[in-house]
Amino acid sequence: DTGVSQDPRHKITKRGQNVTFRCDPISEHNRLYWYRQTLGQGPEFLTYFQNEAQLEKSRLLSDRFSAERPKGSFSTLEIQRTEQGDSAMYLCASSFDRGANYEQYFGPGTRLTVT
Amino acid sequence: LAKTTQPISMDSYEGQEVNITCSHNNIATNDYITWYQQFPSQGPRFIIQGYKTKVTNEVASLFIPADRKSSTLSLPRVSLSDTAVYYCLVGPTQTGANNLFFGTGTRLTVIP
Repeated sequence: DTGVSQDPRHKITKRGQNVTFRCDPISEHNRLYWYRQTLGQGPEFLTYFQNEAQLEKSRLLSDRFSAERPKGSFSTLEIQRTEQGDSAMYLCASSFDRGANYEQYFGPGTRLTVT
Repeated sequence: LAKTTQPISMDSYEGQEVNITCSHNNIATNDYITWYQQFPSQGPRFIIQGYKTKVTNEVASLFIPADRKSSTLSLPRVSLSDTAVYYCLVGPTQTGANNLFFGTGTRLTVIP
C-alpha cells in the first residue's frame, strides 16, 4: 500500500445525474477526510471520518452530498442531482489517530465536470 | 483556526534559495504552523511543521520568530520540479481539530 487512492480520476456527467466517488486510504490510517478544490483555490474541507463514524461535516456539504465509510476502510462520496457548481476536484486524505492531525496524506483526487 | 496571509505568487531562478513568508497575527498558544505543497493535478503533500524557532528536514526549513506571528518556509537551491503551490496552515494539532484550512497559497514558479 503506497498511498491514498481514488477512483475514478476523472468523471464527466450531465447535470441532474448522480455520481459516486471512492477513496481507499492508507491501510493503517483510521481517519479519512474529503475536500473539494476549485480552480485557483486551496482545498476546502467537506467531511471527516474516524473509523466508520462521520464526526464532522462542513456547511459546504449540502443535502445532495452524502459520504459513507461502512467498514472503517474505504469511503464513498455521492453527489445527487449534480449541478454545474459541483464541478471541482474532490480530494480524499487519511491520517493516523495520534499526534499530528495536520499531517494528512492526500490522494490524487477525482476531477468532476458537470455539463 | 488562525487566518494566514501569503504572497499570491513568486518567481525564482533555478539554484536559488526561496523564502516564502506567511503572516498569522492571530495565532493561538496551542497552534502549530504547517506547510503543504501541491503540484498540478495532484493532492497536497505535507512538507514541514513547527511550533517555534527552526525546524529542518530533508526538503525544507521552517523559521518561526519568537512572537510566532509569522513564519518563513525556506527551500534551498530550488529546481524546476519545485514549481508548485505552497500552503501555510495554522491550527491546533490535538484531537478535535481535524480539518485543514488551506487558503489560496503561494504559487511558486521556478525559471530555468
